Amino acid sequence: KAGVTQTPRYLIKTRGQQVTLSCSPISGHRSVSWYQQTPGQGLQFLFEYFSETQRNKGNFPGRFSGRQFSNSRSEMNVSTLELGDSALYLCASSFQGLTDIQYFGAGTRLSVL
Amino acid sequence: DAKTTQPPSMDCAEGRAANLPCNHSTISGNEYVYWYRQIHSQGPQYIIHGLKNNETNEMASLIITEDRKSSTLILPHATLRDTAVYYCIVRVANSGYSTLTFGKGTMLLVSP
Repeated sequence: KAGVTQTPRYLIKTRGQQVTLSCSPISGHRSVSWYQQTPGQGLQFLFEYFSETQRNKGNFPGRFSGRQFSNSRSEMNVSTLELGDSALYLCASSFQGLTDIQYFGAGTRLSVL
Repeated sequence: DAKTTQPPSMDCAEGRAANLPCNHSTISGNEYVYWYRQIHSQGPQYIIHGLKNNETNEMASLIITEDRKSSTLILPHATLRDTAVYYCIVRVANSGYSTLTFGKGTMLLVSP
């Protein structure tokens, strides 16, 4: 069974640009969550999508948005990039069973110059 | 979700058991203890979880104290590939939400 796939693995952008990251969850998983990880702040929750609907949202500005498609694949968009957006962006999927275990992808490392 | 406290770092010799402690003194009755680890430059990996009984799987064992205020993750025969940051998380299962809050975790260094 294939794991969570994130593309691209690495991105370099400049301030003011926008970026779109992609996540393909494990087959059968309907929940996709996005996280930002930085050395200073650790792992921070961005938002979660379940059956194409945003179900929960973390404390990030509106420049961070996402969506989920009918096949459960998800995209995350960051507009007007800032230097502080440089981070590892992680996607996790889950089936929403009794234990709701999160399965993470390898992440997309975004560098904003 | 209840907060957890873990030592910032631990060392372990290859082949020996690694015992990683976690304090969660404010845990609620419906909160589970989860353990994840993150190897450098990779995404976090689920290890094990439990409510109040001890649990064991192919990766590790989880020992939860009777009062549930602390737990220990045991890697019975640590290898160099077990070097990683280990996160202890307490959260309600099947809550309808998938958010996770990771603390600083414990950096486990396994040496030859």
